[in-house]
Amino acid sequence: QSVLTQPPSASGTPGQRVTISCSGSSSNIGSNYGYWYQHLPGTAPKLLIYANNDRPSGVPDRFSGSKSGTSASLAISGLRSEDEAVYYCAAWDDSLNGWVFGGGTKLTVL
Amino acid sequence: EVQLVESGGGLVKPGGSLRLSCAASGFSVSNYAMTWVRQPPGKGLEWVSSISSGGSYMYYADSVKVRFTISRDNAKNSLSLQMNSLRAEDTAVYYCAREDPGYSSGWFFWGQGALVTVSS
Repeated sequence: QSVLTQPPSASGTPGQRVTISCSGSSSNIGSNYGYWYQHLPGTAPKLLIYANNDRPSGVPDRFSGSKSGTSASLAISGLRSEDEAVYYCAAWDDSLNGWVFGGGTKLTVL
Repeated sequence: EVQLVESGGGLVKPGGSLRLSCAASGFSVSNYAMTWVRQPPGKGLEWVSSISSGGSYMYYADSVKVRFTISRDNAKNSLSLQMNSLRAEDTAVYYCAREDPGYSSGWFFWGQGALVTVSS
C-alpha cells in the first residue's frame, strides 16, 4: 500500500483534458510540496511538476499541477498519444522522515 | 552536461551483498543532495534512500533501514548504495537522482538505472 493514493488508471481521447488525483495526509502533501513524475517503460522518470504547480523548463504548458489541503492533482490538456505513460505523485513525509510516492496512474490515450 | 551513470547491478543470492555506484559528471556530488529510487518488476516507484548535500544526514525507507547504506565519494564524484542481507523483494531497477534546489528538491536528473536481481 502506497502512502499517497492515486487511481490505478486513467484514459482519454486525443485533445481531451485528463486529471489525475493524489491523496495524502497532513504529514506529506498537507505540509510539503507535491511533485509529479512521468515514467515510460525502459526510461528514467521525468520531473513534470515541482512545488505543487511549477513546470521545469521544457515541460509543455499542457501539464499543470495543483494542490488543495492534503491532495494534489495533475491535469493534462490537449491529450496526445505520446502522453501515454505512468504518472507518479511524490512528497516528503515529515512523520516518516522520507519521500513517499503514489502507486502510479497508467494513462491510456484511446 | 549533467550525467548520472549507475553500475554494479547484477544477480545475487538471498542474504548476499551488492554495491551500486552512480558516477556523476557535469557537477559535483558534494554540492547536491542525492537519492536512490527503485522500481520492482511490475510495480511502482519506491524511494530507497537520500543523502544531504553536506553528507551529514542520511535517510532510509523502513524497508531497507539497517541493511542499506548510502554514501558518496567526493574524490570520485560518485554516489554509492551498499546493500546487505538482500531479499527477493529488493529485486528492482535502481535509479540514482539529483535533488535540484532550483526545482524545490525535485529530481530533474536521473541515471538510466541498474537492475538488481536477488534470487537463488
